[in-house]
Amino acid sequence: SQQGEEDPQALSIQEGENATMNCSYKTSINNLQWYRQNSGRGLVHLILIRSNEREKHSGRLRVTLDTSKKSSSLLITASRAADTASYFCATDARSQGAQKLVFGQGTRLTINP
Amino acid sequence: SAVISQKPSRDICQRGTSLTIQCQVDSQVTMMFWYRQQPGQSLTLIATANQGSEATYESGFVIDKFPISRPNLTFSTLTVSNMSPEDSSIYLCSSTGGKIQETQYFGPGTRLLVL
Repeated sequence: SQQGEEDPQALSIQEGENATMNCSYKTSINNLQWYRQNSGRGLVHLILIRSNEREKHSGRLRVTLDTSKKSSSLLITASRAADTASYFCATDARSQGAQKLVFGQGTRLTINP
Repeated sequence: SAVISQKPSRDICQRGTSLTIQCQVDSQVTMMFWYRQQPGQSLTLIATANQGSEATYESGFVIDKFPISRPNLTFSTLTVSNMSPEDSSIYLCSSTGGKIQETQYFGPGTRLLVL
């Protein structure tokens, strides 16, 4: 079953504005990752934050993690048209002894020029 | 990071037929994964394919419907058998093996439409 729940499901903003997406999960985790998917193509890894970290930056991306609330947020600053994509959070889980990722439902982000 | 290619990129198939999707990684990797992404939905893991052992299937997915091969450390195939329109999805393969162990690298996906 899907562990991550993301909100909003869809977000439309003007170019240059900041975009914030949230992810909640149900069980304890070792790490949480964010991925981007352009137009039904393959996913691209953006950033990984570990359970002992609270905040992480990568370029225009800022990710926070609150393990007490089982939630994470992805902030994209100074958005660009090229940021238009679907964004998924993914948490680690073990299944039959193997490590795997469980993906959230995703947020479809549209940046309007 | 691993670079992954998939073939075919898309296909239109008739119900009752089978399609085999190929996934090639540019480096040797231990674990490869197959996902299904139904229209407008998120990714659901079908199975984990380790070289030299049987694939491990997730709940709701069975080997008879989705047989997987993993003949070596750079290649895997997923077959979608006896297809129905409900199998219309994007099928993605991925692998670990980058600088960050937990990160997965994805192929571009195979877009399947079953009529």
